[in-house]
Amino acid sequence: DGGITQSPKYLFRKEGQNVTLSCEQNLNHDAMYWYRQDPGQGLRLIYYSQIVNDFQKGDIAEGYSVSREKKESFPLTVTSAQKNPTAFYLCASRTGSTEAFFGQGTRLTVV
Amino acid sequence: GENVEQHPSTLSVQEGDSAVIKCTYSDSASNYFPWYKQELGKRPQLIIDIRSNVGEKKDQRIAVTLNKTAKHFSLHITETQPEDSAVYFCAASKHATNYGGSQGNLIFGKGTKLSVKP
Repeated sequence: DGGITQSPKYLFRKEGQNVTLSCEQNLNHDAMYWYRQDPGQGLRLIYYSQIVNDFQKGDIAEGYSVSREKKESFPLTVTSAQKNPTAFYLCASRTGSTEAFFGQGTRLTVV
Repeated sequence: GENVEQHPSTLSVQEGDSAVIKCTYSDSASNYFPWYKQELGKRPQLIIDIRSNVGEKKDQRIAVTLNKTAKHFSLHITETQPEDSAVYFCAASKHATNYGGSQGNLIFGKGTKLSVKP
């Protein structure tokens, strides 16, 4: 079954903790993206990667880090430097200027 | 970098009426403009897209128009139905000819919450 999978679906973070959100795709897509969704804010780009071992900052990269060691995987780490991490996080992938497919999202809550 | 503005933020129509959502973009090099629909609690899904070499595209009750000169594009939904109720996002991107830099990013508008009343 081809697609893009995010895990976990729900994640709780304590103050000062780093947490990592997983994103895996088996669509053989070159590009992968991380977005943050807050009510009324739309989809804001955190990081994106067009090729293995390369990634670029989006509009709101501060407090986040990523890696792209494999084509299929693009994990996002929310560091303690991100002061307001509670949000819905969406991962997407695509190749070239084509349709982007989204994962089902991870809802992160600070407790 | 690219900036996408979307209006209105909320739109309420009566079933059977038409709905129009408008977006503007800032980067004249952008050449791909998709529209996504996101139902409550679900992932965004593509409903229609248009490339810069085309001025209009239609798929049943949904159409998109593009004005490259003015750098704006619009989504038109005719004969709206209650199941059209959702949040709609426009986006803009340009083809990546070189890896790295801002090419290949995909920037979204803030979304429009469409409510279709029966």
